Amino acid sequence: NAGVTQTPKFRVLKTGQSMTLLCAQDMNHEYMYWYRQDPGMGLRLIHYSVGEGTTAKGEVPDGYNVSRLKKQNFLLGLESAAPSQTSVYFCASSYSRSTEKLHFGNGTRLTVT
Amino acid sequence: AQSVAQPEDQVNVAEGNPLTVKCTYSVSGNPYLFWYVQYPNRGLQFLLKYITGDNLVKGSYGFEAEFNKSQTSFHLKKPSALVSDSALYFCAVRDKAGGFKTIFGAGTRLFVKA
Repeated sequence: NAGVTQTPKFRVLKTGQSMTLLCAQDMNHEYMYWYRQDPGMGLRLIHYSVGEGTTAKGEVPDGYNVSRLKKQNFLLGLESAAPSQTSVYFCASSYSRSTEKLHFGNGTRLTVT
Repeated sequence: AQSVAQPEDQVNVAEGNPLTVKCTYSVSGNPYLFWYVQYPNRGLQFLLKYITGDNLVKGSYGFEAEFNKSQTSFHLKKPSALVSDSALYFCAVRDKAGGFKTIFGAGTRLFVKA
């Protein structure tokens, strides 16, 4: 049971380049989330999904897009990377949105130069 | 709007001493409260949660937390700290009014000295 798997683990982009971060979970969870972690700011919610084919904006959605074509996968896209998007990105999933804990991947460290 | 405050950037304790990591929250409805721990280069791991019922909840690795509604606090505690407890700790809250989105505090780094 792998849990939540994120790829890649590390990436360096130049300003203006694009990329997609992949999150996969094997727990049959309905709910999936993308967070970014910055020093002193905790985790901030970028986008989330309450089921296959659905997505919604979180606290800091600008500059990011997401897709949830399959229940087990949640993709985060950066169309034109900016230095302000240098961060550690975490994907999480949960069985329910109210009382159940979040299961996290190990993160993707992205640097935009 | 929901918010979580962890007033201490860092907490230092000696091994064997009790530890407390503080958390206060603000929500408009009944809160669902969580603590997570993060070790270097890893994702967050769940420690414990308060949903309803007994105000004192026990979790993984000997940690516990007390829900105090009047003080809107959910402090994390452990009777006897271990060097291996050194990590980054996050308090988090959800409520129905916030669409059950999980909001995290800024984190508190716990350093346990041998």
